[in-house]
Amino acid sequence: DIQMTQSPSSLSASVGDRVTITCRASQGIANYLNWYQQKPGKAPKLLIFATSSLQSGVPSRFSGSGSGTDFTLTISSLQPEDFATYYCQQSYSIPYTFGQGTMLEIK
Amino acid sequence: QLQLQESGPGLVKPSETLSLTCSVSGGFISSSSYYWGWIRQPPGKGLEWIGTIYYTGSTYYNPSLKSRVIISVDTSKNQFSLNLSSVTAADTAVYYCASHSWGATSNNWFDPWGQGTLVTVSS
Repeated sequence: DIQMTQSPSSLSASVGDRVTITCRASQGIANYLNWYQQKPGKAPKLLIFATSSLQSGVPSRFSGSGSGTDFTLTISSLQPEDFATYYCQQSYSIPYTFGQGTMLEIK
Repeated sequence: QLQLQESGPGLVKPSETLSLTCSVSGGFISSSSYYWGWIRQPPGKGLEWIGTIYYTGSTYYNPSLKSRVIISVDTSKNQFSLNLSSVTAADTAVYYCASHSWGATSNNWFDPWGQGTLVTVSS
């Protein structure tokens, strides 16, 4: 199985901050990397697919980059509604696996 | 716009079979554009992919669960289902169904998701 490791596991930031979350795969996954946002008691929501493609309706302050084993999700200017848990997920090979999550909290 | 909704018992006894159904609206489950997946999340923990089905019945399972999982599809009802046998407390989780989309280069992703349903395994 491909292990996905996110860092940090938790992060405190303020509205307006620029935030970067990192996801590392245990082996190369080309650009087969997706990002999801999950708020408490809600289902995950797709933000970015195929490393850098923004899902329809997702604000442009979200962006993704990377290739191979190292990937990043960047939020350019945090908004109050962005405080949530973020998960990366590899879709390169079965079993599809998720990172452990990064909890983004208000400072 | 696709919408998915899980349904099924919220409490299952140990050693029994967990059965859930996902109803799809806003689109046809037999559409060639989509596969259909199940993902679960134990309370306070991360996400685990369980398996995926195509409307033809082709299935892909997580090897860690494969011996206990059956995913099926009913195109006449626009539904797909999950059966997980011989459950233990470790199977207690929120179970989500989701549309599993594929891009042109085999990239794939889950979107949208159902709201999720908590299944507790307890006697």
